[in-house]
Amino acid sequence: NAGVTQTPKFQVLKTGQSMTLQCAQDMNHEYMSWYRQDPGMGLRLIHYSVGAGITDQGEVPNGYNVSRSTTEDFPLRLLSAAPSQTSVYFCASSLDSTETQYFGPGTRLLVL
Amino acid sequence: GENVEQHPSTLSVQEGDSAVIKCTYSDSASNYFPWYKQELGKGPQLIIDIRSNVGEKKDQRIAVTLNKTAKHFSLHITETQPEDSAVYFCAASITGNQFYFGTGTSLTVIP
Repeated sequence: NAGVTQTPKFQVLKTGQSMTLQCAQDMNHEYMSWYRQDPGMGLRLIHYSVGAGITDQGEVPNGYNVSRSTTEDFPLRLLSAAPSQTSVYFCASSLDSTETQYFGPGTRLLVL
Repeated sequence: GENVEQHPSTLSVQEGDSAVIKCTYSDSASNYFPWYKQELGKGPQLIIDIRSNVGEKKDQRIAVTLNKTAKHFSLHITETQPEDSAVYFCAASITGNQFYFGTGTSLTVIP
């Protein structure tokens, strides 16, 4: 099993550009989520999904969109990048919200 | 929503000493409390977890205690080693809902 994979590892964007952060898991997990990690702020939930076709907002959803068309994939879209979205983004998956979450290696995003 | 507070934000201990990190939560419906370790440049990794029907759980040098009445839970690391140096996060969740994370504790074990 590859576990949770994320691409790209690092990305530089200009303000206003859009991009998609990819996340995939091969553990047949129903629950997937996206977090951003900023210094001193811990991990903040952006969006999560409890299964294919179902998504919900987390603590900091503004400026981000998600979709869950398959169990395996959970892409995160930045519609119009802003410097405030400079962060490290982690995708995670688990069987459900009360089971072990497995995190991907992260994507470092810099918005200029 | 749930609010998870974590203390201290930084902790330095001598090798061989114990380290304790404490978290409080606000929603009495929370029923799952994991602890994660994050090493530099990597994603968080689960080290131990506890559910609301259990008061204490131990795995070798790591233990977690839960006080549902006071709504707090703690991570205990005994006989600390330099490789225990990392950032530790607590979290709380409710069945079918989202995870809420604490702000992290940077642990340094001094050889």
